Amino acid sequence: QKEVEQNSGPLSVPEGAIASLNCTYSDRGSQSFFWYRQYSGKSPELIMFIYSNGDKEDGRFTAQLNKASQYVSLLIRDSQPSDSATYLCAVNADAGNNRKLIWGLGTSLAVNP
Amino acid sequence: NAGVTQTPKFQVLKTGQSMTLQCAQDMNHNSMYWYRQDPGMGLRLIYYSASEGTTDKGEVPNGYNVSRLNKREFSLRLESAAPSQTSVYFCASSEVGQDTEAFFGQGTRLTVV
Repeated sequence: QKEVEQNSGPLSVPEGAIASLNCTYSDRGSQSFFWYRQYSGKSPELIMFIYSNGDKEDGRFTAQLNKASQYVSLLIRDSQPSDSATYLCAVNADAGNNRKLIWGLGTSLAVNP
Repeated sequence: NAGVTQTPKFQVLKTGQSMTLQCAQDMNHNSMYWYRQDPGMGLRLIYYSASEGTTDKGEVPNGYNVSRLNKREFSLRLESAAPSQTSVYFCASSEVGQDTEAFFGQGTRLTVV
């Protein structure tokens, strides 16, 4: 059973700080990694995806991938109260004849003013 | 651009009643999905449709049926609702393949009493 694990939190950071969210996965063949944000009562929305080892930056968000250690992380710089949400990690994994997304349970982030 | 549209947003059913959740996307995506999301369980795939005319079971298909009516529309039917089907249901679509980024509808909050 392919797995994606995240610390459920809540992760609490002060406004302006860096929030670091982590995700580990079990399928060494995984090639695509996604971070979604989900506000309470809303649907998940894609923040970033990353395919290659290293860092990928988009505004205040940086995704980091380390395939050797099988983890992917999301850094949020200059955290704002509007960043308070649950962050879902999704990883593609082998499903026999095809590949599918495996979802983590999410990390709850609270940014305190 | 509406993206992925689900109806209804809220529904209360009595045990044994049936209903159909509707989903339509205007992004010309080939693949569409139905997920359910429960506290502590994360997103679980019910059914998916890789392309028009095809449907396949996901992790938790029991008690559900689907129809891929055309490229735009993918419906989920509960034939005889049970309290265990109380959940938030999300429809999603992606260009191709289960392992690519998905775009979600706003969700349907279903309560079965």
